[in-house]
Amino acid sequence: DSGVTQTPKHLITATGQRVTLRCSPRSGDLSVYWYQQSLDQGLQFLIQYYNGEERAKGNILERFSAQQFPDLHSELNLSSLELGDSALYFCASSVLPAGELDEQFFGPGTRLTVL
Amino acid sequence: GESVGLHLPTLSVQEGDNSIINCAYSNSASDYFIWYKQESGKGPQFIIDIRSNMDKRQGQRVTVLLNKTVKHLSLQIAATQPGDSAVYFCAEMESSYKLIFGSGTRLLVRP
Repeated sequence: DSGVTQTPKHLITATGQRVTLRCSPRSGDLSVYWYQQSLDQGLQFLIQYYNGEERAKGNILERFSAQQFPDLHSELNLSSLELGDSALYFCASSVLPAGELDEQFFGPGTRLTVL
Repeated sequence: GESVGLHLPTLSVQEGDNSIINCAYSNSASDYFIWYKQESGKGPQFIIDIRSNMDKRQGQRVTVLLNKTVKHLSLQIAATQPGDSAVYFCAEMESSYKLIFGSGTRLLVRP
């Protein structure tokens, strides 16, 4: 158990819908990262927050957004869902900002299925 | 849930042997590299990292080697155990703090 929690574990929804994925980092970790893992594109970095502020952006679609709240939990919002958004979404956390020699701890993931 | 695409390279080793997993990275400006292990149905797990000013870093049973000249990274696992069976990813980080993952290698350990 990494100490990072994600909810829900599974999510099934329809095209065009909007969902919110939630992540609670390990206690004391200030950085939260979101990743998408799909069969055809592997593991892709989406976005990172450090202490409430966006720090780095990867291949995140405009239909997706995220935020980190004062209690450091984070939410990833996916809207206007398409079939191709079906994937595993992982959250990770670390104490230090990205770029420091600091381990990232991954949560168990949320499996999103868009029908 | 399964972790990666359908066409992963696979390395099969005998239990007790050493394993070497290789990775070619793309950006010569990347200055931080990480190896992750992902078991079926789980999230990636950090194994070891290395900065670009180093050539080698050792952990417990694992060693990462970095060859910047040819943009090559390797993960060596000593005395491979059945619990090492998983998919292994390398990742590189650029100065923009974006992590870019390789496609992964599946390690199978034969008893």
